[in-house]
Amino acid sequence: GQNIDQPTEMTATEGAIVQINCTYQTSGFNGLFWYQQHAGEAPTFLSYNVLDGLEEKGRFSSFLSRSKGYSYLLLKELQMKDSASYLCAVREGNNDMRFGAGTRLTVKP
Amino acid sequence: KAGVTQTPRYLIKTRGQQVTLSCSPISGHRSVSWYQQTPGQGLQFLFEYFSETQRNKGNFPGRFSGRQFSNSRSEMNVSTLELGDSALYLCASSRKPVHSAGRETQYFGPGTRLLVL
Repeated sequence: GQNIDQPTEMTATEGAIVQINCTYQTSGFNGLFWYQQHAGEAPTFLSYNVLDGLEEKGRFSSFLSRSKGYSYLLLKELQMKDSASYLCAVREGNNDMRFGAGTRLTVKP
Repeated sequence: KAGVTQTPRYLIKTRGQQVTLSCSPISGHRSVSWYQQTPGQGLQFLFEYFSETQRNKGNFPGRFSGRQFSNSRSEMNVSTLELGDSALYLCASSRKPVHSAGRETQYFGPGTRLLVL
C-alpha cells in the first residue's frame, strides 16, 4: 500500500540533538518535504530533498535515501520553540502531495 | 508581501448543511491546493487548482468541490455535511503547479476550523 510513516511523539531535552525518521511507500517519487507546524498554526516549510544525501540549513538538516524509502530530519541545539509537530510529505509520481500524520516533538528544559 | 489568507477562521455547521470556504493566495501565486487535516488522518490532499483549472484531485467524495477565479482566489464547497467532515481545512499557494514546482514549496494559510454538529 501507500504509506508515509513517522513516529507519533518524541521528547528531547533543550540543547540536545533529535532525529525524526520518515519511511515512505508511494506511487512514484518526485521529492520529499519536511514541514513544521506549531499547535493551532499553519505548516511552514523546513526542507526539500529530491536526490540522495544530506541537506543542511542552519540547525536543521534533512537526509534522503530513495532506494530505502527513508528520510530523517535532524534538529541540533534544540530550543524550547522547536516544540511542534513535524510533517513528512512526499510528492508522488502523479504529483499529488501525500503527508504523514506528523511527529509531535516536545522539548523539555 | 501578505501571506495566504483564509476565511472564515472558524465555522460551526450542522449535519446536512453546506459550507463554502475561501482562500486568497499570495500575490503572484497561481496554484492553490486544499487539504483536510484531522488528528487521526493528518493532512490529506483534496485538490489543486492552477489558472482556474483543477489539476489534481485527492480521494474525497463528490460532496467536496472547488473552483478558482481569474484573480487566483479559490473557494472550496462541501455539501451535505457529515460529522466526519469536522476538521481543519488548509489551503496552500505556490507560483507554479505542484508537479513542476521542484524545490519551490507551498505556503500554507492559517486554515478554517470547521465543526459539524
